[in-house]
Amino acid sequence: DAGVIQSPRHEVTEMGQEVTLRCKPISGHDYLFWYRQTMMRGLELLIYFNNNVPIDDSGMPEDRFSAKMPNASFSTLKIQPSEPRDSAVYFCASSLSLQNEQFFGPGTRLTVL
Amino acid sequence: QKEVEQNSGPLSVPEGAIASLNCTYSDRGSQSFFWYRQYSGKSPELIMFIYSNGDKEDGRFTAQLNKASQYVSLLIRDSQPSDSATYLCAVRRDDKIIFGKGTRLHILP
Repeated sequence: DAGVIQSPRHEVTEMGQEVTLRCKPISGHDYLFWYRQTMMRGLELLIYFNNNVPIDDSGMPEDRFSAKMPNASFSTLKIQPSEPRDSAVYFCASSLSLQNEQFFGPGTRLTVL
Repeated sequence: QKEVEQNSGPLSVPEGAIASLNCTYSDRGSQSFFWYRQYSGKSPELIMFIYSNGDKEDGRFTAQLNKASQYVSLLIRDSQPSDSATYLCAVRRDDKIIFGKGTRLHILP
């Protein structure tokens, strides 16, 4: 398996633009997680899905953020409109269960100017 | 009080010595504990996990859990320059997983 795949790897956009981050989890993993990492706040869990259903979105910063998982092999994290404070590395991870190891994708480095 | 706390470091350890990384957590009902290693510019990868009180050894790594005192530690024996990274502690209770901010470890050649 290729591991967790994320795209794009880097994104530079201007304030106010819509940003869409994409993730393909490891096949057979029932859980998918979206994280944001910054120097100030560390690694923060934004939302996670179980069998394509959002379970906990309490980490989503505000209404500008939304996430979907239309099928078992694809998820998106959308920011609309984007703001400079959204600049961070966004990781997607997947796992067999909450008790198991999470496998992280390479991350998307987002810069909002 | 932060839910999962780690000293941000950097922690500098001579090559060949034992590196000791600590993590404290606030939720007494926490069930599983994970240590992830993250190299600069890379994604986190699992080093070890532990569920029960006591020690768990895997090669040069030992995880130690003390639920009464609410801390978990990671010992790295015979430290190598390749161990230089940020180590993230993660704590799970039920369906909630929280990561600490990590400790930067620097192994001095």
